[in-house]
Amino acid sequence: GAVVSQHPSRVICKSGTSVKIECRSLDFQATTMFWYRQFPKQSLMLMATSNEGSKATYEQGVEKDKFLINHASLTLSTLTVTSAHPEDSSFYICSARALRDTDTQYFGPGTRLTVL
Amino acid sequence: AQKITQTQPGMFVQEKEAVTLDCTYDTSDPSYGLFWYKQPSSGEMIFLIYQGSYDQQNATEGRYSLNFQKARKSANLVISASQLGDSAMYFCAMREVGFQKLVFGTGTRLLVSP
Repeated sequence: GAVVSQHPSRVICKSGTSVKIECRSLDFQATTMFWYRQFPKQSLMLMATSNEGSKATYEQGVEKDKFLINHASLTLSTLTVTSAHPEDSSFYICSARALRDTDTQYFGPGTRLTVL
Repeated sequence: AQKITQTQPGMFVQEKEAVTLDCTYDTSDPSYGLFWYKQPSSGEMIFLIYQGSYDQQNATEGRYSLNFQKARKSANLVISASQLGDSAMYFCAMREVGFQKLVFGTGTRLLVSP
């Protein structure tokens, strides 16, 4: 199958610190990876689309300087929340589209970020 | 304008019964894809089923089937023989050709009772 991992699964940090979340496609190469944020009892909101080797495309209203995305290889994308504040506390989830199967996005298990 | 509409915030079904989760969509693109995902309380998004706009037949995957009515722009998910483990949030999503991203509906919470 198509497996996507995320690390860490949970992170608690102090306000003002930066947090890096990794998203890996374990058994396939991903042309494109996506980062979503989900607040409690709400739907997924796309933050940005990242293509390997190029700059990420951010959705309207998402601060690119605050949410840094790097997609250095076909199996790894990272999201760094810089100078995190309590309002950044959320569930962050990534997904990946496989080279072999561009119709389906496979999701990681998500990362619960809590900023104190 | 809302592209994906899920009008049922919550649904209840008894174990072994079938249940239909509604999804309507809005697009002027003739080519698009429709997806259903399941999100249990653990948070992971589990891909269930996919329907392409040009597919002649309704998609099926085990106990899941997609009732695709193109003229009505609806893509309802049918779960047959519900199981307790089916209790979760269910999201309908659409991807228009030419756009990489998925647009999600607001979700339906399904509770399966014994």
